[in-house]
Amino acid sequence: EVQLVESGGGLVQPGGSLRLSCAASGFTFRSYWMSWVRQAPGKGLEWVANIRHDGSEKYYVDSVKGRFTISRDNAKNSLYLQMNSLTAEDTAVYYCGKLGYDFLTGHSHWYFDLWGRGTLVTVSS
Amino acid sequence: DSQMTQSPSSLSASVGDRVTITCRASQDISDFLAWYQQKPGKVPKLLIYAASTLPSGVPSRFSGSGSGTDFTLTISSLQPEDVATYYCQNYDYAPWTFGQGTKVEIK
Repeated sequence: EVQLVESGGGLVQPGGSLRLSCAASGFTFRSYWMSWVRQAPGKGLEWVANIRHDGSEKYYVDSVKGRFTISRDNAKNSLYLQMNSLTAEDTAVYYCGKLGYDFLTGHSHWYFDLWGRGTLVTVSS
Repeated sequence: DSQMTQSPSSLSASVGDRVTITCRASQDISDFLAWYQQKPGKVPKLLIYAASTLPSGVPSRFSGSGSGTDFTLTISSLQPEDVATYYCQNYDYAPWTFGQGTKVEIK
């Protein structure tokens, strides 16, 4: 079965750190760009970070630059998000996402064609 | 940044009605536009990509159109299982922004 399963969420104090993980299965993980997207309670979707299939390129939304680090381990079919200096504004469900790929052109595209179930991060004292 | 503006923010329609949601980009994004459906308490699901392409398994009552800055998601005959919030997403320019969402309910 093709799926993504996040873990690592929880309650953390402001200024603290947390590391999220995403386990991929059912597809060739090492061939795809991957991403993190978050959704604050009752709010819309916000793209957080992308990482190239080989880890050589990474992109972040401005609000997390310098605080969050996306990484991957293709041998373990796993994606990670290291989150430091957390604030209340980072409280959200964090989704792991697989980015699209056009097999005809060989190009990756930045839409999310597979989502995990999400993991809740709550930043509060 | 390419801002994405959806309208309306919410709508209520009857089963069988034709429903249209619009999404406007603040700059030309060609056809690099995706739509997602998020049912209450559930994970978002890809509904349309490349402005008008339906992934396998998406019902044909859903359709998308547009290019440049103006896009439309249409549900040709609203069904009870279509109750959800719908989001558009730019994937041409970083940051890859989403619209604020349109909540669809049954009247």
